[in-house]
Amino acid sequence: SAVISQKPSRDICQRGTSLTIQCQVDSQVTMMFWYRQQPGQSLTLIATANQGSEATYESGFVIDKFPISRPNLTFSTLTVSNMSPEDSSIYLCSVGVTEAFFGQGTRLTVV
Amino acid sequence: GNSVTQMEGPVTLSEEAFLTINCTYTATGYPSLFWYVQYPGEGLQLLLKATKADDKGSNKGFEATYRKETTSFHLEKGSVQVSDSAVYFCALSVRDTGRRALTFGSGTRLQVQP
Repeated sequence: SAVISQKPSRDICQRGTSLTIQCQVDSQVTMMFWYRQQPGQSLTLIATANQGSEATYESGFVIDKFPISRPNLTFSTLTVSNMSPEDSSIYLCSVGVTEAFFGQGTRLTVV
Repeated sequence: GNSVTQMEGPVTLSEEAFLTINCTYTATGYPSLFWYVQYPGEGLQLLLKATKADDKGSNKGFEATYRKETTSFHLEKGSVQVSDSAVYFCALSVRDTGRRALTFGSGTRLQVQP
């Protein structure tokens, strides 16, 4: 299993600003995944972050809006840039291949 | 592509009632199947999983059987408790090239009344 710590757990941000979410894992992993869960909705994959290479983004998500860093095998950040109220969601990081483990999520509200 | 279809909620049951939440899938390749649970205000937790046809995953009184012939993975529990109130997500992963992320269903909210 893996223990994942996400920070911040929640935040309220002004539109037009950016927020960087941190994800720390207690073991080295090759792939880390970032998901978004919009209010009352399921989880949608934003991107897959591999250490030492560019993140792979899913359709509808772009690097300018959601830049991701992956400096080592235990850490990743996701930035939500130039935020609007439509970005209000829970953002979750995840690791695991045969089964996925999730952080507690970051609840973001954009006002 | 890969997709997961879950029955819509919310599902409201009385304590000790029998629970079924339907889940069907389509997948390119041979998927592993999962049920995740999200309690109010918390992140996702793995409830159970099955990695091959006819496998039965079970945990905390919940069960689901991987049915390849019907492409289904229905979640069942014989007697629900108030503490089971949560949102339940069916999900799959397929070991295709370069992608190990999960595909989730829309989630089913369960509310158990005393």
